Amino acid sequence: NAGVMQNPRHLVRRRGQEARLRCSPMKGHSHVYWYRQLPEEGLKFMVYLQKENIIDESGMPKERFSAEFPKEGPSILRIQQVVRGDSAAYFCASSPPGGQGGNTIYFGEGSWLTVV
Amino acid sequence: AQSVTQLGSHVSVSEGALVLLRCNYSSSVPPYLFWYVQYPNQGLQLLLKYTTGATLVKGINGFEAEFKKSETSFHLTKPSAHMSDAAEYFCAVTPARPDKVIFGPGTSLSVIP
Repeated sequence: NAGVMQNPRHLVRRRGQEARLRCSPMKGHSHVYWYRQLPEEGLKFMVYLQKENIIDESGMPKERFSAEFPKEGPSILRIQQVVRGDSAAYFCASSPPGGQGGNTIYFGEGSWLTVV
Repeated sequence: AQSVTQLGSHVSVSEGALVLLRCNYSSSVPPYLFWYVQYPNQGLQLLLKYTTGATLVKGINGFEAEFKKSETSFHLTKPSAHMSDAAEYFCAVTPARPDKVIFGPGTSLSVIP
């Protein structure tokens, strides 16, 4: 059973470009979470999605950031017009449906975004 | 609302010594509690979790944690530190229903030879 797959692992973008980060959850998982980790900081919740629905986006910046989890395909975290402050590690996690497994979430290896 | 505090952003122990990483939480509903470990440039790996039942939970790599409701704590311990335990450790909480998982700020563990 493959784990949570994230790509790209490393992404370099110039200021003003767009960054797209992809996440394929573990097989059978229908919940996806995105977290951001800034240097020397902990994990900050960004958004929680189920298939075709955003459940909680209270941690998402109001502008330039969006997330989706379509019926088919991976979840996408999209950052438009990137700025240097967006440089961080972005982690995706997934969990089984209906609170199974005690809401345990399983993490991918992360995508490191560098804005130059 | 849930929140997590971890006392001590950096902890150093000698190899073979007891490891104690502290975690306190606040939750308005019965919580599920987790400890994750992160090695440099990697994702987070689940060490152990508490959902219901026995309050002393054993995890991987010799770690264990005890849920103490009266103290709202979930401290992580290991009797004897190993060099390979050096990493960042995160405590996390979620309510006992599908919801986001909230992480503490993390504790960096150093193991001195």
